[in-house]
Amino acid sequence: DAKTTQPTSMDCAEGRAANLPCNHSTISGNEYVYWYRQIHSQGPQYIIHGLKNNETNEMASLIITEDRKSSTLILPHATLRDTAVYYCIVRVWDKIIFGKGTRLHILP
Amino acid sequence: DAMVIQNPRYQVTQFGKPVTLSCSQTLNHNVMYWYQQKSSQAPKLLFHYYDKDFNNEADTPDNFQSRRPNTSFCFLDIRSPGLGDAAMYLCATSRANTEAFFGQGTRLTVV
Repeated sequence: DAKTTQPTSMDCAEGRAANLPCNHSTISGNEYVYWYRQIHSQGPQYIIHGLKNNETNEMASLIITEDRKSSTLILPHATLRDTAVYYCIVRVWDKIIFGKGTRLHILP
Repeated sequence: DAMVIQNPRYQVTQFGKPVTLSCSQTLNHNVMYWYQQKSSQAPKLLFHYYDKDFNNEADTPDNFQSRRPNTSFCFLDIRSPGLGDAAMYLCATSRANTEAFFGQGTRLTVV
């Protein structure tokens, strides 16, 4: 079973930062937090991952709380092309289990 | 360049007629996954290979089988497709504890 809880859907205005929360209160010390997104009718796309430190790449930032029980994915300047389902996944080693994800709507 | 390639993109099969979906990769990743995704649902892991080691999910029906003849290729066999098996089937690859790369999927229709 997925070990994460995410809101079912969120709205964000175009050009604003989108902040997507994820709860993973049962995460173990060696489990990473991964984020993927899936645009309609495409395969999921990797966004970012982290263990305990905050991470940033060209797509997004990942903020992990100190107790590691929750995290937030930040898309700094959302565009219409960021409309997708975003999945937060807790992963150790080789297994990847998807939760229900958050459907993000970017509003023009 | 596509790194995880699934063929075909669309497959129509008859009820009860065996069907095989294929996946190939150019990344030399040692882990390969098969997922089933039904409309408006999250991808559901069916099984995965870690090198040659096959790992079946407990709730994957026996109707679904897989083969991995070498590092680059992996196949999903559905022995007797039912109407409930109509779905998008996604293949993915990764190294352990690194990001996974997904193919574009094969959409299976059962008639």
